[in-house]
Amino acid sequence: KAGVTQTPRYLIKTRGQQVTLSCSPISGHRSVSWYQQTPGQGLQFLFEYFSETQRNKGNFPGRFSGRQFSNSRSEMNVSTLELGDSALYLCASSTDRARRVNTEAFFGQGTRLTVV
Amino acid sequence: EDKVVQSPLSLVVHEGDTVTLNCSYEVTNFRSLLWYKQEKKAPTFLFMLTSSGIEKKSGRLSSILDKKELSSILNITATQTGDSAIYLCAVTRSQGAQKLVFGQGTRLTINP
Repeated sequence: KAGVTQTPRYLIKTRGQQVTLSCSPISGHRSVSWYQQTPGQGLQFLFEYFSETQRNKGNFPGRFSGRQFSNSRSEMNVSTLELGDSALYLCASSTDRARRVNTEAFFGQGTRLTVV
Repeated sequence: EDKVVQSPLSLVVHEGDTVTLNCSYEVTNFRSLLWYKQEKKAPTFLFMLTSSGIEKKSGRLSSILDKKELSSILNITATQTGDSAIYLCAVTRSQGAQKLVFGQGTRLTINP
């Protein structure tokens, strides 16, 4: 069974540009979450999508947005990039078949974004 | 605001030693606590602890959830150099879907 796939693996962008990251969840997983990891702040939740709907959002500015497609693949977009957006962006997927059931999240390899 | 604190932040031991990593949390409507191991990029899942499953074991790794003390420990016995990694603790709420709130992580280094 293939794991969570994130593309691209590495990106270098300049300030002011925008970027789109992609995440393909494990087959059958309908929940996709995005996290930002930096040395100073650790792993922080960005947002979560389930059945093409954003269910939960973290405390990030509106420059960070996302969406989910009918096949559960998800994209994350960051507009007007700032130097502080340099980070490892991780995607996690889970089955979340029913809210009452505890399900673990599985992570992809991440996209390393560098803003110069 | 939900909060997860791990200790120590960094730990260096010799191969063969036993280590205990700590995680304490403050979260409204606690649902589960998860442990992950992060070596390079992708955190890999280790354990999930809930009210109905407060103790888990897999090989040399084991974990216990103390709901009264709002904490968890991760034990690794007979450590090996391959155990060197960052160990992350995260909690979830009953409401809030799949949002994981992470601690800062413990960087474990095993010297041969």
